[in-house]
Amino acid sequence: SQTIHQWPATLVQPVGSPLSLECTVEGTSNPNLYWYRQAAGRGLQLLFYSVGIGQISSEVPQNLSASRPQDRQFILSSKKLLLSDSGFYLCAFGGRYIEAFFGQGTRLTVV
Amino acid sequence: SQQGEEDPQALSIQEGENATMNCSYKTSINNLQWYRQNSGRGLVHLILIRSNEREKHSGRLRVTLDTSKKSSSLLITASRAADTASYFCATDAYNAGNMLTFGGGTRLMVKP
Repeated sequence: SQTIHQWPATLVQPVGSPLSLECTVEGTSNPNLYWYRQAAGRGLQLLFYSVGIGQISSEVPQNLSASRPQDRQFILSSKKLLLSDSGFYLCAFGGRYIEAFFGQGTRLTVV
Repeated sequence: SQQGEEDPQALSIQEGENATMNCSYKTSINNLQWYRQNSGRGLVHLILIRSNEREKHSGRLRVTLDTSKKSSSLLITASRAADTASYFCATDAYNAGNMLTFGGGTRLMVKP
């Protein structure tokens, strides 16, 4: 069966520190992968999506970057976190013509 | 950018009543999906309706799609307290690559 793992669930990081959030998918090959950010009580903002290894599209200019080193691995990174990077980050796969499966999310607080 | 916009932003009803949420979008789509999110959790897929479909049912859920008006509605019948959650529509837009974009959501509260 198809599953998605996203970790950690919560993270508190100081301003200026690096970030690495990892997402892995099982039970499917060559999935479309997505990173979203959700502000409290708001909708999902698409940050990055990937249709294959090394193929990353960015939707918004930002302090973050994404990489896809393996077919079923999607990483969200930052070299130096800003206070405005705080939020709820969600990884997902699927979505084109089919349903998307979401990870449980990472609550990032930058202090 | 957000493709879909839900209306209303918040909805409060009594258990047993029906809840209707609407979604409008801007560009032609391949399909439209509805998701549910419990507070602080990931999203769970509810239903997918393709651009050539007009209505779809799943249990107590009924989704309609009007491509001429670029709108969709989600109806939850005989609501329960456990239906309390945020509901989002998402579109897989035609000629938009592989993006799945979401609206701002409707926060539904069902009072027991």
